[in-house]
Amino acid sequence: AQSVTQLGSHVSVSEGALVLLRCNYSSSVPPYLFWYVQYPNQGLQLLLKYTSAATLVKGINGFEAEFKKSETSFHLTKPSAHMSDAAEYFCAVSVTTGGFKTIFGAGTRLFVKA
Amino acid sequence: KAGVTQTPRYLIKTRGQQVTLSCSPISGHRSVSWYQQTPGQGLQFLFEYFSETQRNKGNFPGRFSGRQFSNSRSEMNVSTLELGDSALYLCASSEGQGPMGYTFGSGTRLTVV
Repeated sequence: AQSVTQLGSHVSVSEGALVLLRCNYSSSVPPYLFWYVQYPNQGLQLLLKYTSAATLVKGINGFEAEFKKSETSFHLTKPSAHMSDAAEYFCAVSVTTGGFKTIFGAGTRLFVKA
Repeated sequence: KAGVTQTPRYLIKTRGQQVTLSCSPISGHRSVSWYQQTPGQGLQFLFEYFSETQRNKGNFPGRFSGRQFSNSRSEMNVSTLELGDSALYLCASSEGQGPMGYTFGSGTRLTVV
């Protein structure tokens, strides 16, 4: 069965520092992987997606993620954190079973210190 | 292009009542999925509809139901509300049949008292 594990429920970085949010997946078939961001009192916004094309995926707001099959990982990075990046981030894997459904990780809350 | 619209934004209901939540997807999007978000359980999949057909269902009791209309708008209904149903209910739409990523609405915050 497909699943997603996000390492660290909270991550704190200084403004201008590297952001690294970790995600490992489990899938018996080639996965479709996603990162979403959620700001307070809002729905989720798609940051980027991996659909078996390039392993390095670039998303919005300067974020990118690298698919590493050997490590079953899909970590999210951003070279330089900005205060506006403070939010909750969700890694997700899509499962095709008849229709499809997306399974989300538990989320990582990113804090950015001035 | 209008986003995914969910109504109402906030709702307070009493235990035992029922509630209907509405979702209008992005124009042209035929797939609509519903999720329940709570601090303890995170995002839990409820169901997915495509062209008025329920294609997938999560592990929720039968009190949770949904439907999709010919214009792709979707509703979900929760009967006999329990305190534990208090949550943010999120609707998400997608363009095609495959997992290409969702566009989410802002959600309906349901509080059961």
